[in-house]
Amino acid sequence: SYVLTQPPSVSVAPGQTARVTCGGNNIGSESVNWYQQKPGQAPVLVVYDDTNRPSGIPERFSGSNSGNTATLTISRVEAGDEADYYCQVWDSSSDYYVFGTGTKVTVL
Amino acid sequence: QVHLVQSGAEVKTPGASVKVACKASGYTFTGYYMHWVRQAPGLGLEWMGWMNVNSGGTKCEQKFQGRVTMTRDTSISTSYMELSRLRYDDTAVYYCARLTGDRAFDIWGQGTMVSVSS
Repeated sequence: SYVLTQPPSVSVAPGQTARVTCGGNNIGSESVNWYQQKPGQAPVLVVYDDTNRPSGIPERFSGSNSGNTATLTISRVEAGDEADYYCQVWDSSSDYYVFGTGTKVTVL
Repeated sequence: QVHLVQSGAEVKTPGASVKVACKASGYTFTGYYMHWVRQAPGLGLEWMGWMNVNSGGTKCEQKFQGRVTMTRDTSISTSYMELSRLRYDDTAVYYCARLTGDRAFDIWGQGTMVSVSS
C-alpha cells in the first residue's frame, strides 16, 4: 500500500516560516490534502488538492507538491499554529485513503 | 451550518462489539460519502473505510474486513460504524468524516472514545 512519510517534529520561532514535508512515491502525481489537529480536537482541513485553502483558513497556510515530496508551508508562524499536521492522499490503485505519519509543529 | 455529531464514549470488554453513530446536519446527507478514521492514544490517523450514503455500498481497509460494518439511516441522517470482536488495541478515538469531491475530509465529527478493557 501507499506510504506517506513525514518528519516527526518541526520547531519554529514565532514569525518565522515552518515547512512540513510529506514524502511518497511520485506523490507529485497525486492530490494532497493537509490537516491540522490540536490536542483533544478533531482534525481540520487546512489545504486541499495540493494548493487550495478552505474558507476560513488563513493565507499563511500554503501547499506545494512535486516529484516525491509535498510540502505544507506556514508563514509568519503564530503560537496558535502549534499542532500536529497530517498529509493525506487517495490511492487510486487500491481505492484506499492514506494518511501520513504526522508532524508535530512546535512554536518556540 | 454543517455538522457531524457523534455518539458518546464507550467502554467495552474484549470480544464485544461497539456501534458508533454519526448524525449529519446542514447538508444533503445522501450527497456525500461518509468515512471513518480512528486514532489510538498518542498515535496518528488511521483510515478505516467509507460508505456511499446514497447507495449503501461500503469499502473498508483490508485489516478491518470482517470486523467492520458500516450502515446508515437516511430518515434521520445518521451513519453508523460497528466494530466487532474488539481487542485491546482497538482502543482509540473514532471519527466520522465527510468526503468532498476533491477527496478531502472537510467536515469531521467530534470523535468517540472507545476503550477496550477487561
